[in-house]
This record gives sequence, C-alpha cells and structure tokens, in this order.
Amino acid sequence: DGGITQSPKYLFRKEGQNVTLSCEQNLNHDAMYWYRQDPGQGLRLIYYSQIVNDFQKGDIAEGYSVSREKKESFPLTVTSAQKNPTAFYLCASSLRQGPQPQHFGDGTRLSIL
Amino acid sequence: DQQVKQNSPSLSVQEGRISILNCDYTNSMFDYFLWYKKYPAEGPTFLISISSIKDKNEDGRFTVFLNKSAKHLSLHIVPSQPGDSAVYFCAASAVVSAGGTSYGKLTFGQGTILTVHP
Repeated sequence: DGGITQSPKYLFRKEGQNVTLSCEQNLNHDAMYWYRQDPGQGLRLIYYSQIVNDFQKGDIAEGYSVSREKKESFPLTVTSAQKNPTAFYLCASSLRQGPQPQHFGDGTRLSIL
Repeated sequence: DQQVKQNSPSLSVQEGRISILNCDYTNSMFDYFLWYKKYPAEGPTFLISISSIKDKNEDGRFTVFLNKSAKHLSLHIVPSQPGDSAVYFCAASAVVSAGGTSYGKLTFGQGTILTVHP
C-alpha cells in the first residue's frame, strides 16, 4: 500500500540536543511538506520541497532544517535553536502539478525533557 | 492574521442528524478548498475538496458548499455517525511563488471537534 511513514511516533530529547524526524513516502509524489501542530491551533508550515535537492522555508522555519536528497525522503531536524520544540510534527506529500490534496503521515510527537 | 478561521471549537450532534461545520476565509486569492478529518495521534485524512469555480461538491454523506461572495465554506455530514467523531480542519489553497518555483500553499483553520452521540 502506498503511503507516508513517519518515525518514530514518539520522541524524547534533552534540551539543547538536535533531533531528526524521519519522513518517507512511496506515493511517487514530487512535493513534500513539514507542518507543526500545537494544541488548539491549525497546522503551520515549516518547510516544503517541490523537487529533489530543492526546498523552501515555510511560515515558521526558524530553528529547523531539512534535506531532500531523494524523492522519497524528507527528514526534518529540530535544532537547539528552536525555542519551543515540543509539538506534534506532520509530514505530507502531494503531486506537484495543479491543485491537489496533500496526504499526511501519522505524525511524530516530540517532547523535550 | 488568521486567513482561515473555524469559529466553532466544538460541535455536538445526535446520531442520524446533520452535522454542519463552518469555515470563513479572508484571502480572495484562495482557489481550492479542502476538508480534513483527524483522529488523536494520527495525521489528517483528506475528506473532500472544492474548486473556486464550483459552489457545491458531494461525496456520499459529505457535501461541501462554497459561498465565494461571503468567503464562507461549510461541510455537511448527513446522516452523522458516531465514527465521524473527530477534529475537522478546513484548508484553503493559493498559488505562491518562492525560489523560482510556485505551488499551492495550504492554510489551515484551527479545527472543530465534532462529537456524534449514539
């Protein structure tokens, strides 16, 4: 079955450590996205990538970094510069052309101890 | 500046009745609208969408209505079932350009918690 896999589902890290969240898709989608969800809020865009080896900042990119070396993979690193990293992180993908729904993974909940 | 708003944080409905979820937007550049359903600790699941050239789209028990003049979007679920209990997000898409590429950026509302009672 095609889909988006995020791992791990829960992640705990000490303050000051960088942490990388994994996102893999086998939908053959060109575009991939990272969102952050906080309680009572909608999803906010962190980074997006339309093609391999290219990515752009979203609305809340500070303290985060990404890479897109393969079409299937779009890992997100939460750096120690991110002031409030505890949140639910969602990865999504979509076909590049035209207005298309984005399809989401099941998310990673990151907690900073 | 919240461009997509869901003003009702929660909605409670009896099984078999209609559920109406509402969404308002401010950006007239939005040209594609979507509804997602989300269970706790899971990712949102795409439900239904509508292009700005239409005013209604139907898929089984789900119908989305778009009133462009009022900048208002609604999702009707008929009949409502207990399994529909979830958080519902509306989202709106507008083409944006950055770094030499363009794409349809989604802006999400805050979500509405729907509870359907047996």
